[in-house]
Amino acid sequence: QKEVEQNSGPLSVPEGAIASLNCTYSDRGSQSFFWYRQYSGKSPELIMSIYSNGDKEDGRFTAQLNKASQYVSLLIRDSQPSDSATYLCAVLGGGSNYKLTFGKGTLLTVNP
Amino acid sequence: KAGVTQTPRYLIKTRGQQVTLSCSPISGHRSVSWYQQTPGQGLQFLFEYFSETQRNKGNFPGRFSGRQFSNSRSEMNVSTLELGDSALYLCASSTSTGYTEAFFGQGTRLTVV
Repeated sequence: QKEVEQNSGPLSVPEGAIASLNCTYSDRGSQSFFWYRQYSGKSPELIMSIYSNGDKEDGRFTAQLNKASQYVSLLIRDSQPSDSATYLCAVLGGGSNYKLTFGKGTLLTVNP
Repeated sequence: KAGVTQTPRYLIKTRGQQVTLSCSPISGHRSVSWYQQTPGQGLQFLFEYFSETQRNKGNFPGRFSGRQFSNSRSEMNVSTLELGDSALYLCASSTSTGYTEAFFGQGTRLTVV
């Protein structure tokens, strides 16, 4: 069973702080990694994708990937109350099929 | 560019009935995946279609089925509904295989009573 594990929440940070979200995966053949944000009652929204080891920055968001450690993380700098949501880590396995395996998600609350 | 469109947005069905959900992917996207989301289990993969062929299937009973049409639109069907089928059903579209991003529709909220 290929699994994706996320750090248990909920995570609460003050406005302006850095929020750190972590994810580990079991399938070494995984090739693509994604972070989705899901507001309550809404569908997941893609916010970051990362395919190679290292860091990838997009505005206030930085994704980090370490394939040797099978670890993916998302940093949110200068957190805003509008960042309060559930963050889902998703991993795409190897092969020709498009199947995303999701973690259970981490609920982030940013307090004004 | 239009996003992924799912219809209907909400459904209430009775146990034992069947239901069909529809998903229109982003123009040019040929891969459509379906997921079930419940509070207890999170997002679980149902199946994925590419060019009208089911390429992968998750661990769901045979009551869950799907198909894809030549225009890449997809439908999923659940027969003999059970209370436990109440969930948010999401479809995601992508261009093809690895190194591509998937985008979700708004989902269909199914309630079985």
